[in-house]
Amino acid sequence: DVQMTQSPSSLSASVGDTVTITCRASQDIRNYLSWFQHIPGKVPRSLMYAATSLQTGVSPRFTGGGSGRDFTLTIANLQPEDFATYYCQQFATYPLTFGPGTKVD
Amino acid sequence: QVQLVQSGAEVKKPGASVKLSCQASGFTFFTYGVHWVRQAPGQGLEWMGRFIPGSGGAGDGTTKYSPKFQGRFTITRDTSATTAYMELNGLRSEDTAVYYCARGRIWFGDLYYFDSWGQGTLLTVSS
Repeated sequence: DVQMTQSPSSLSASVGDTVTITCRASQDIRNYLSWFQHIPGKVPRSLMYAATSLQTGVSPRFTGGGSGRDFTLTIANLQPEDFATYYCQQFATYPLTFGPGTKVD
Repeated sequence: QVQLVQSGAEVKKPGASVKLSCQASGFTFFTYGVHWVRQAPGQGLEWMGRFIPGSGGAGDGTTKYSPKFQGRFTITRDTSATTAYMELNGLRSEDTAVYYCARGRIWFGDLYYFDSWGQGTLLTVSS
């Protein structure tokens, strides 16, 4: 299985900050990476796919980067609704695997 | 408007089976796949399996399951392709979790990424 790691596991930020989360795959996954946002008690939300493509309706304050094994998710001008846990996920090979999550609070 | 509506909460005893549903609105599972993911209390997201449509019609499609659940987990789709189901057998307390369906959108080949999610179904397994 492809192992996904994320750093940091949590970070503290304020409204208006820019934050970056990193995700690393245990092997080359090309750009077959998605990012999700999850607020406890709410439905997970798909943010990005193919490492850099925004899902429909997602704010352009979210940008994704990377390819191969190393990826980033950057959130600019952090807003109150952005405080959540963020997960990366590879869809290059089965079983699909998620990172452990990064909590932004 | 694309929407996935999941069935209500379930409470089951260890050893029992459960079948959860995921109803599509605004699209059908003839042209989109469906993934199932769960989140146990205090844990992260875990992929369980997916169904993708074939080209041959109502009954056509292929499934792929995580080895962790192989043998006790099944994904199906009704003939109208508006509802997908997951069935998990041999339930144990560790299966207590929120189960989500998510629409799979084709990337290429048999690779489908997630876009929309259902609201989740809480399954509690307890004696």
